[in-house]
Amino acid sequence: DQQVKQNSPSLSVQEGRISILNCDYTNSMFDYFLWYKKYPAEGPTFLISISSIKDKNEDGRFTVFLNKSAKHLSLHIVPSQPGDSAVYFCAASEGGYNKLIFGAGTRLAVHP
Amino acid sequence: KAGVTQTPRYLIKTRGQQVTLSCSPISGHRSVSWYQQTPGQGLQFLFEYFSETQRNKGNFPGRFSGRQFSNSRSEMNVSTLELGDSALYLCASSLGGTGQGYTFGSGTRLTVV
Repeated sequence: DQQVKQNSPSLSVQEGRISILNCDYTNSMFDYFLWYKKYPAEGPTFLISISSIKDKNEDGRFTVFLNKSAKHLSLHIVPSQPGDSAVYFCAASEGGYNKLIFGAGTRLAVHP
Repeated sequence: KAGVTQTPRYLIKTRGQQVTLSCSPISGHRSVSWYQQTPGQGLQFLFEYFSETQRNKGNFPGRFSGRQFSNSRSEMNVSTLELGDSALYLCASSLGGTGQGYTFGSGTRLTVV
């Protein structure tokens, strides 16, 4: 039973355009959501997070949107750069516990 | 400051054997979590240790176990290896709070033949 789902295994975007990565969850008790980025042969690195009391969080080119009623979150990258090409994982946690439930990841390719 | 160090980077084992993976967290970090990454499954939580005690546990069989030492270093052990255990095993350390403070190591790639 996948509690966090990333339904698009891959996404291809042109440099300078917007990248939108989507994530759905089923557990309404999740109260903290995070996005991680992973390059080959490296561990995931934290990108941005949002708590359930907010619906938007922005950090530079990265913005995360949370729609609690739809149990959906998305990551927007504007403008996309070739260096953003990586696998992006969304993750969720419940009650502040240090246990993250990850989605399967979306491979983003930003081409010139 | 040194990051999270996982050893070894690569490992090949035979079915039925056991394996021990090591993780040295960032200095001062008391929480160490372990994740398994397989193609198409994302990262699945194995367990978390904090101050030498297992604080959280995922849904893995008892063949997967771990421990944490007084210096916060952690080991993960898998006994009676199965082909399906082939995966990238990632360790993450944090001060002890929520996942935002996670720093991941580069992982140990385990292949079971």
